Amino acid sequence: QVQLVQSGAEVKRPGSSVKVSCKASGVTLSSNTVSWVRQAPGQGLEWMGTLIPTLDTADYAQNFQGRLTIAADESTSTGYMELRSLRSEDTAVYFCVFNALEDFGLDVWGQGTTVTVSS
Amino acid sequence: EIVLTQSPGTLSKSPGERATLSCRASQSVSSNYLAWYQKKLGQAPRLLIYGASSRPTDIPDRFSGSGSGTDFTLTVSRLEPEDFAVYYCQQYGRSPYNFGQGTQLE
Repeated sequence: QVQLVQSGAEVKRPGSSVKVSCKASGVTLSSNTVSWVRQAPGQGLEWMGTLIPTLDTADYAQNFQGRLTIAADESTSTGYMELRSLRSEDTAVYFCVFNALEDFGLDVWGQGTTVTVSS
Repeated sequence: EIVLTQSPGTLSKSPGERATLSCRASQSVSSNYLAWYQKKLGQAPRLLIYGASSRPTDIPDRFSGSGSGTDFTLTVSRLEPEDFAVYYCQQYGRSPYNFGQGTQLE
């Protein structure tokens, strides 16, 4: 069964960091891209960045340059998203998504992780 | 960067009707790498269309996509009750892989 399971909800203080994991089963990191998308309350979908594990290269949205790292660990079939210097506007549901390198239409999504930034 | 503008913002329809949603890009989308997603509250986005007009095998054929260059359309031929949701387009031809702002189908 192909699925992505994300880590649990987080509550963070402004200025701190959060790291969300995305464990894959039934699908290999090396044959996919790993992307992160978020949705703030009442807002639309926002692309954050994409990693190609086989090339170890990542592309990030300008909004997150310098604050965001997307990584992957092939040995544990797990993708990660770390966002630093958190602010209240980072309160959102964060999704990981795998897309097959050879076919964008073969995708699988995590269930979403709620991150709340509050003092 | 490519900006995607979706219209209308809200579309009011009834079950059984046809719905047409638009996505316009500020520049030509490379290789027509344009996707459509359905988003419901509390759920992950669901990919409906990719490559402007291709449909994943598990998506009903009442969903279809068309267009090229800068103008793209998602059509739902006959609305079912479960189709009422928010729809987003995304271009994945050139980074940043932006989404449109969404169309609420009510």
